[in-house]
Amino acid sequence: GAVVSQHPSWVICKSGTSVKIECRSLDFQATTMFWYRQFPKQSLMLMATSNEGSKATYEQGVEKDKFLINHASLTLSTLTVTSAHPEDSSFYICSARDYSGYQETQYFGPGTRLLVL
Amino acid sequence: GNSVTQMEGPVTLSEEAFLTINCTYTATGYPSLFWYVQYPGEGLQLLLKATKADDKGSNKGFEATYRKETTSFHLEKGSVQVSDSAVYFCALFEAGGTSYGKLTFGQGTILTVHP
Repeated sequence: GAVVSQHPSWVICKSGTSVKIECRSLDFQATTMFWYRQFPKQSLMLMATSNEGSKATYEQGVEKDKFLINHASLTLSTLTVTSAHPEDSSFYICSARDYSGYQETQYFGPGTRLLVL
Repeated sequence: GNSVTQMEGPVTLSEEAFLTINCTYTATGYPSLFWYVQYPGEGLQLLLKATKADDKGSNKGFEATYRKETTSFHLEKGSVQVSDSAVYFCALFEAGGTSYGKLTFGQGTILTVHP
């Protein structure tokens, strides 16, 4: 299947700093990517839908000024956590939508673990 | 809105035991249903899917049947292996409207298989 990578795989930062997470589709083009947040022992919560060349669509309750999303190319979306605080510590997972073939499939990245001190 | 409910875990089984993980859903239309698996330290992988009522998805010995009358999509495997230890997520996808392209996940079920 198609491969989606995330970088970094984990990051520790100080409170008040900003952190950028990259999501790349390695062998297909993705006009749409999704960003999720996963708390320990909990399910994935969709944060936003990232569309190439346009603004992201945020889910209700997600602060768009806090979680900046940029989808500047067909293979790269970035999530920037601005002015991070300890409550932003979480596991962030992206997925990319692949339209090739006869079906649409979402492929997931391995996730990025963020710890804000 | 859409929702997915999975049986609470963790589930602990011995190798070669029979596995069932229950999943029920609520949706406004006619969703597609999925099971994803997440191995330690890895991203989610699609395990199987079904796109309409009475469809059976199957892969790697796992099966699930789309039951519209009971709004269920229970995951089963006749004989589990240690390598099946992972977190399993049930999810639904509803085309059209504001939910297009969005997956709604259940809370996940941790499966541990002992030798």
